[in-house]
Amino acid sequence: GQSLEQPSEVTAVEGAIVQINCTYQTSGFYGLSWYQQHDGGAPTFLSYNALDGLEETGRFSSFLSRSDSYGYLLLQELQMKDSASYFCAVADAAGNKLTFGGGTRVLVKP
Amino acid sequence: NAGVMQNPRHLVRRRGQEARLRCSPMKGHSHVYWYRQLPEEGLKFMVYLQKENIIDESGMPKERFSAEFPKEGPSILRIQQVVRGDSAAYFCASSPGDRADTIYFGEGSWLTVV
Repeated sequence: GQSLEQPSEVTAVEGAIVQINCTYQTSGFYGLSWYQQHDGGAPTFLSYNALDGLEETGRFSSFLSRSDSYGYLLLQELQMKDSASYFCAVADAAGNKLTFGGGTRVLVKP
Repeated sequence: NAGVMQNPRHLVRRRGQEARLRCSPMKGHSHVYWYRQLPEEGLKFMVYLQKENIIDESGMPKERFSAEFPKEGPSILRIQQVVRGDSAAYFCASSPGDRADTIYFGEGSWLTVV
């Protein structure tokens, strides 16, 4: 099966940088996905890493190290609107389902 | 709006009634996934369907829950004889291919059982 660990909560101030770590255990790995979810809203796809290294998309970047079964999401120049829960996720070997971590709640303070 | 469409957005049912949640995937997507999210918890996989086929239902409760994705029309998640513990947000997602690495979610259906 799949299991993912990520911190439950992170607090930071506007303009700061936050790194959300995710470690995973899975049988058959293809890639690590990240989703953002605001309270009462839908999960929104942020990024997907299939290969080792850093992927940058605007203020958000995602990193993967397959040898360490580890990845992180980097949020830069934090804004109040970035207050949300962030989930890492991996697909099973058959690609039939995405298993999500428990989510990291990011609280951005003025 | 070409996104994943779910309805109803909010549904209230009394214990013992049936709940039907509908999902139309994004245009061009033929793979549908249903997830459940309890308050303050993460997303739990329920079922993966393609047109007229259930591919993986390993996350579905054994009783009272069923899902379908007919040749025509939306995917339906049906919950019979609802109980208070069924109160949750039910999210549908779709993907263009046969891998779940990148899936796109609808706005969810919030079920409240009273």
